[in-house]
Amino acid sequence: ILNVEQSPQSLHVQEGDSTNFTCSFPSSNFYALHWYRWETAKSPEALFVMTLNGDEKKKGRISATLNTKEGYSYLYIKGSQPEDSATYLCAFHNNDMRFGAGTRLTVKP
Amino acid sequence: GAVVSQHPSWVICKSGTSVKIECRSLDFQATTMFWYRQFPKQSLMLMATSNEGSKATYEQGVEKDKFLINHASLTLSTLTVTSAHPEDSSFYICSARADRSTDTQYFGPGTRLTVL
Repeated sequence: ILNVEQSPQSLHVQEGDSTNFTCSFPSSNFYALHWYRWETAKSPEALFVMTLNGDEKKKGRISATLNTKEGYSYLYIKGSQPEDSATYLCAFHNNDMRFGAGTRLTVKP
Repeated sequence: GAVVSQHPSWVICKSGTSVKIECRSLDFQATTMFWYRQFPKQSLMLMATSNEGSKATYEQGVEKDKFLINHASLTLSTLTVTSAHPEDSSFYICSARADRSTDTQYFGPGTRLTVL
């Protein structure tokens, strides 16, 4: 993988559902992997910075895992709420930051 | 903390005019600021990196004479799109980093530029 790829591109879930999405990145020259949450008309907000293979980070109902050997990270949201609706961006960081196109999450009440 | 503002949030201009976009770090000093561009349904693409007091470093394919970047202080960077054309219509967003050790970039809310 040469680019940063995120899947799915968009996701619609019901309130209360748990969900997850994927960020795939080059497995060589890894430095860090960033996750951002981007609500419409607001600034992207930093969620996690992950640096070590096997890292798992948690912030409230949101957690993320990292596998640098195979080049992927998962973001999980437990018990989705309407306020979780946003675009979730990941960025692969070696010499510079390379962003994925994002996963657009919509949580229906 | 770590708030970045960007102004204007949207702008419509005529072809051939120049547009200046400001990016400010409100509660921290930004040694490095980044300018990105995003086309619909695509990734944020880095245009240039600017360090306070020095010339910006442009990514391959980005015309430095077209996109003028100034980072004159630790809290302000500006991007000027000179002689704008319809193909320059895009979403421009800046980010700021306090120091290299933190790595995290703090983003502004972006500017939607439409060139008629």
